[in-house]
Amino acid sequence: EIVLTQSPGTLSLSPGERATLSCRASQSVGSSFLTWYQQKPGQAPRLLIYGTSSRATGIPDRFSGSGSGTDFTLTISRLEPEDFAVYYCQQYGGSSYTFGQGTKLEIK
Amino acid sequence: QVQLVQSGAEVKKPGASVKISCEASGYSFTSYSIHWVRQAPGQRPEWMGWINAGNENTKYSRKFQDRVTITSDTSASTAYMELSTLKNEDTAVYFCARRMGNWFDSWGQGTLVTVSS
Repeated sequence: EIVLTQSPGTLSLSPGERATLSCRASQSVGSSFLTWYQQKPGQAPRLLIYGTSSRATGIPDRFSGSGSGTDFTLTISRLEPEDFAVYYCQQYGGSSYTFGQGTKLEIK
Repeated sequence: QVQLVQSGAEVKKPGASVKISCEASGYSFTSYSIHWVRQAPGQRPEWMGWINAGNENTKYSRKFQDRVTITSDTSASTAYMELSTLKNEDTAVYFCARRMGNWFDSWGQGTLVTVSS
């Protein structure tokens, strides 16, 4: 099973700043198999980025994804107040899906 | 629009079973698979298994394959997840989600299952 490790665990930033979130895999992940979600308290995860870099419907262009192999990145170019949440990466491989432990993006 | 609506919260004793429903609307139910993902308090989401709503084939995570059963009723556009032999550590929010490609594009609102004696 592929293990995903996200860093940092918590990221404290101010609105308007740039956020860079990392997701590292224990084995190589195909680019079409890496996904990012946003989750707010009491809510289900919300699809943000699929296939490493494609934005889901309705997701603002301040969100972007990149990476390959074992290292992937979610970037939020200019933080809005509604962006403060927990972010998870997820991969599909070997007929199984796994998630990272999450990065909490909090207001500084 | 696509909607997945789950059944309400459950409280169960250790050793019991729980069955949660997930009613889909806004799309052709048999054209997509439904997956189940659980999330214990403060933990990462954990994939449990899925059902192909078109042919009812299933696949389960190795961790849960001895205790989970996923079924569907196409006439009701509803998927079900039953987890047996519950333990305290099964306390979690259980989500159903629609698979699109290799990701989950729509999620149910979640069902809290509390296991306590």
